[in-house]
Amino acid sequence: DADVTQTPRNRITKTGKRIMLECSQTKGHDRMYWYRQDPGLGLRLIYYSFDVKDINKGEISDGYSVSRQAQAKFSLSLESAIPNQTALYFCATSDGGGTGGDQPQHFGDGTRLSIL
Amino acid sequence: SQKIEQNSEALNIQEGKTATLTCNYTNYSPAYLQWYRQDPGRGPVFLLLIRENEKEKRKERLKVTFDTTLKQSLFHITASQPADSATYLCALPGTYKYIFGTGTRLKVLA
Repeated sequence: DADVTQTPRNRITKTGKRIMLECSQTKGHDRMYWYRQDPGLGLRLIYYSFDVKDINKGEISDGYSVSRQAQAKFSLSLESAIPNQTALYFCATSDGGGTGGDQPQHFGDGTRLSIL
Repeated sequence: SQKIEQNSEALNIQEGKTATLTCNYTNYSPAYLQWYRQDPGRGPVFLLLIRENEKEKRKERLKVTFDTTLKQSLFHITASQPADSATYLCALPGTYKYIFGTGTRLKVLA
C-alpha cells in the first residue's frame, strides 16, 4: 500500500460546486502539505500543517481551505470551484525531526481535478 | 523574491551518456537543496539532498553539485538508461517551506 494516499485520483466537476480532496498517510509524519501543479508553473504550496493544531497558509491559499482531522489525515476543500482551479493536486508529508526543514517530502500520486 | 530556474526545454540524450541538468536560483542563500524525480501521472520522489557546505553528493549513478557562489546546482546521471527518462525537479527551502523549480524533462534514447 502507498505511504501517502490521495482520493479521488480524478475528478471532473462544475463551476460553483464544493469539492473535497482527501489525503491519508501511514508514514507517521507530523508535517503535511497540499500543492497544486500547473504546466510551466511547477508545484505551488497551498496550505501546510506541522501538527494537528497547526495550519498555515501557503503561497496560493485563496479559494481553498483545509482540515487536519488527525495526524494521518489532511483534507483540502474548494468551497466554490472555479475553472482556474483546474490542476493536478498533490499531498505530501515530511518528518519534523531536527529543524525539520531539510527532511525530504513524500508525495502522493495526485488528484487530477477538472472544473468545467 | 526568491526564484528557481530550471531549463524548461526537454533534454534528449543517448543511452550510456551522462545527463546534466541545471538548477539556478536568485535572491537566495539556501542552506541546502533537494532533487526529486517525477514520472508522468505520479508524485515527485525524493532523490538527494545536498547542503551548502558539501560541494558534491553521490548516490549510485547520481551526482549533485552545489556552487553557492554561482547560485547553481548541477544534477548528473552517469551511464544513463531509458528508465531514467522522467522530469527532474530541484527544491529549496523558502518562505513557504519549499520552493520547487518547474523541472526539466529528460528523455534517454535507446
